[in-house]
Amino acid sequence: DTAVSQTPKYLVTQMGNDKSIKCEQNLGHDTMYWYKQDSKKFLKIMFSYNNKELIINETVPNRFSPKSPDKAHLNLHINSLELGDSAVYFCASSDRGNTEAFFGQGTRLTVV
Amino acid sequence: AQSVTQLGSHVSVSEGALVLLRCNYSSSVPPYLFWYVQYPNQGLQLLLKYTSAATLVKGINGFEAEFKKSETSFHLTKPSAHMSDAAEYFCAVSDTGGGNKLTFGTGTQLKVEL
Repeated sequence: DTAVSQTPKYLVTQMGNDKSIKCEQNLGHDTMYWYKQDSKKFLKIMFSYNNKELIINETVPNRFSPKSPDKAHLNLHINSLELGDSAVYFCASSDRGNTEAFFGQGTRLTVV
Repeated sequence: AQSVTQLGSHVSVSEGALVLLRCNYSSSVPPYLFWYVQYPNQGLQLLLKYTSAATLVKGINGFEAEFKKSETSFHLTKPSAHMSDAAEYFCAVSDTGGGNKLTFGTGTQLKVEL
């Protein structure tokens, strides 16, 4: 059983398209995150949700819109994709009181 | 603001040799510190964490790290490197004040040679 699962694992799309990445966790955690890893492998947080409520939004362009239908799911929708959006996007989850985060396998997004 | 600095973007050791990956942190509050490992095309896996209990923390796969407040360091060590240890290693500090945000260092690529 995968604890934090993301789909798809790979995504290749053209500039200007809209795409979504889905994330689900079965750990019973109440906090979920999206992190972006760039081509130099630098990891930076994008968003954090706690019990479906947005609590962190790290100056991400508003083309990126996270949606949390329930505390086990956090999806990422990206409008008008740009070349610079190419990266690996990681979903993660944790308990609010336990700072250890569990990561998904990542989604490698390539914008051409 | 919290931050971590990892010295050495690439470290190469011989199999059986000591592994030492360096991490220094900056935090205005007592930090929670982590080491994560990333194998090629994989997600991040927690190796170990420091959360203000024992300063010497033991993790998985024979790794350990020591929290030294006076040096603001949290270096990762393993007595004897194995080929399977070759991976990218990330040090991270947690913002426990709001949302448990992790701030990562730039990573250290560990290469293990025969």
